[in-house]
Amino acid sequence: DTGVSQDPRHKITKRGQNVTFRCDPISEHNRLYWYRQTLGQGPEFLTYFQNEAQLEKSRLLSDRFSAERPKGSFSTLEIQRTEQGDSAMYLCASSSEFQGIQETQYFGPGTRLLVL
Amino acid sequence: AQTVTQSQPEMSVQEAETVTLSCTYDTSESDYYLFWYKQPPSRQMILVIRQEAYKQQNATENRFSVNFQKAAKSFSLKISDSQLGDAAMYFCAYRSSGDKLTFGTGTRLAVRP
Repeated sequence: DTGVSQDPRHKITKRGQNVTFRCDPISEHNRLYWYRQTLGQGPEFLTYFQNEAQLEKSRLLSDRFSAERPKGSFSTLEIQRTEQGDSAMYLCASSSEFQGIQETQYFGPGTRLLVL
Repeated sequence: AQTVTQSQPEMSVQEAETVTLSCTYDTSESDYYLFWYKQPPSRQMILVIRQEAYKQQNATENRFSVNFQKAAKSFSLKISDSQLGDAAMYFCAYRSSGDKLTFGTGTRLAVRP
């Protein structure tokens, strides 16, 4: 399977704990996006990378959130000191960008986080 | 900031019939892209159809077609010959050139056998 993969698929944690999610994009894609989706809503943009550079961060991304893409391949999203409001589906998407033209974003299955 | 509005939280269609999902958006840009994504229950989001704003011709993909009205900032999705597998949440999304997606709140489509 050459699609976008995410790990874990489900995570239950207690308030105050740290969690880390991983996303593996489609191999030839140089752009990687993180979105958050709460129940009954559409996904909201969090941040994105072009290769290893983080180009934009949403105001939704508080200081407790950090994302990395160290070698321009997989990415991690860490949430420190989790709060119940962080409970959501975290979606990763990837796309290719070449000479200013960005192709369609393809989504992974998501990581569902529940903070107790 | 761009906004996307889907005013139909839920829609229902009889199998083999046609249904249209509505979407409007607000932007001051002239160069952008519009998408419809499908999210089946507990499954990942997949692209249904894409429209470039500079193209006057409406996009079609098999049973799926759009009605893109740029001046009215309207982008509706028509599903013909509806099938049980079409049941899902449908999200309309906007993207300016080379940037992130902005999604609407979605329309839940039920297909009656």
